[in-house]
Amino acid sequence: GAVVSQHPSWVICKSGTSVKIECRSLDFQATTMFWYRQFPKQSLMLMATSNEGSKATYEQGVEKDKFLINHASLTLSTLTVTSAHPEDSSFYICSADSLQLEGTDTQYFGPGTRLTVL
Amino acid sequence: GEDVEQSLFLSVREGDSSVINCTYTDSSSTYLYWYKQEPGAGLQLLTYIFSNMDMKQDQRLTVLLNKKDKHLSLRIADTQTGDSAIYFCAERFSGNTPLVFGKGTRLSVIA
Repeated sequence: GAVVSQHPSWVICKSGTSVKIECRSLDFQATTMFWYRQFPKQSLMLMATSNEGSKATYEQGVEKDKFLINHASLTLSTLTVTSAHPEDSSFYICSADSLQLEGTDTQYFGPGTRLTVL
Repeated sequence: GEDVEQSLFLSVREGDSSVINCTYTDSSSTYLYWYKQEPGAGLQLLTYIFSNMDMKQDQRLTVLLNKKDKHLSLRIADTQTGDSAIYFCAERFSGNTPLVFGKGTRLSVIA
């Protein structure tokens, strides 16, 4: 089956620093990847849609200058949380479409990255 | 607008069947999914169903779809303690569009 990895799995940083999270599709190409955010005991909230070779599409209320997304290749998308603050602490999950792999629109998720900002 | 509703909690005894229900509002949804999330982990795709299907079975999992009532259910037969997790229902309009998730149902299996 399709595998999506994320790195790092967890990170602790000081307030004001920037953190980069990588999302990779390991055995398939993904023209579209999605970034979600999940607060404790809550559902996933879509942050942005990342398309290879073009600018990301952000959901309403998500600051594009704070959450920088770069989809440089068909297997890699990165999310950079700039000038992180404690309220940015959350579980960040990426996903990728495996249309090419299965011929159906199935979305596979990475294992998530837990960000803690002190 | 899009909205997916699930009950928040379900508790069953080991060996019994679990039925997790979900309702959605977007009748144009093409795909409906069930994901499982264990504590501190990402989402694991359990199964999905196309909107033109009524039922799909995969080993212990049975998905039923009632398009008229916009109701989706996931039945887990012979529930085991390892099935304890949060189960998310999600809908999707078409390919390359994001999923819309319900709030998740926390399944607790009592030994």
